[in-house]
Amino acid sequence: GQQVQQSPASLVLQEGENAELQCNFSTSLNSMQWFYQRPGGSLVSLFYNPSGTKHSGRLTSTTVIKERRSSLHISSSQTTDSGTYLCALDPNTGYQNFYFGKGTSLTVIP
Amino acid sequence: GPKVLQIPSHQIIDMGQMVTLNCDPVSNHLYFYWYKQILGQQMEFLVNFYNGKVMEKSKLFKDQFSVERPDGSYFTLKIQPTALEDSAVYFCASSSGQGPYGQFFGPGTRLTVL
Repeated sequence: GQQVQQSPASLVLQEGENAELQCNFSTSLNSMQWFYQRPGGSLVSLFYNPSGTKHSGRLTSTTVIKERRSSLHISSSQTTDSGTYLCALDPNTGYQNFYFGKGTSLTVIP
Repeated sequence: GPKVLQIPSHQIIDMGQMVTLNCDPVSNHLYFYWYKQILGQQMEFLVNFYNGKVMEKSKLFKDQFSVERPDGSYFTLKIQPTALEDSAVYFCASSSGQGPYGQFFGPGTRLTVL
């Protein structure tokens, strides 16, 4: 079955609005890694977050293991934030193989 | 920051031919991975490689697939023979095996099998 459920599948925001992206997982977790996938396909790592909250500029990642969820918050969105956001579950197997969510396609309009 | 390189960026081949995808991982990393992403679909794990051996592979890692890293050079994914359903973007990743940085991904090789 699907190890990682990512929501929403797509999101359209007005520039300046905030976005909340969610990943729910059904298996044991070592960590969750969040990526931004550029339109050309390359991945940019945003956070590697095993638990708790991490901040980077306008981005915040929160992983709550007990609730089996991890979120990515984007504040004051900009048009350059448009793209696909992926979460990847690092299960507790020791080899760090990732199970990816299907992604959230974010469009920020001016 | 550290980068993973992939060569070539795009490869077009005829069905049945052999193809080798090359990955230059981050220099001090010990774990290497291949992932497959069909256009518009989810990224899926293929295989990981550590200490010269395949440690885990998914059901997508068919018998026609093989990986190696001879003498610390490129980490390669070979497909022989290729099939139409192998058309996808293949991403290489590497990691030190310990947090807090997770995996570093290459830019992908877009493989088109005709």
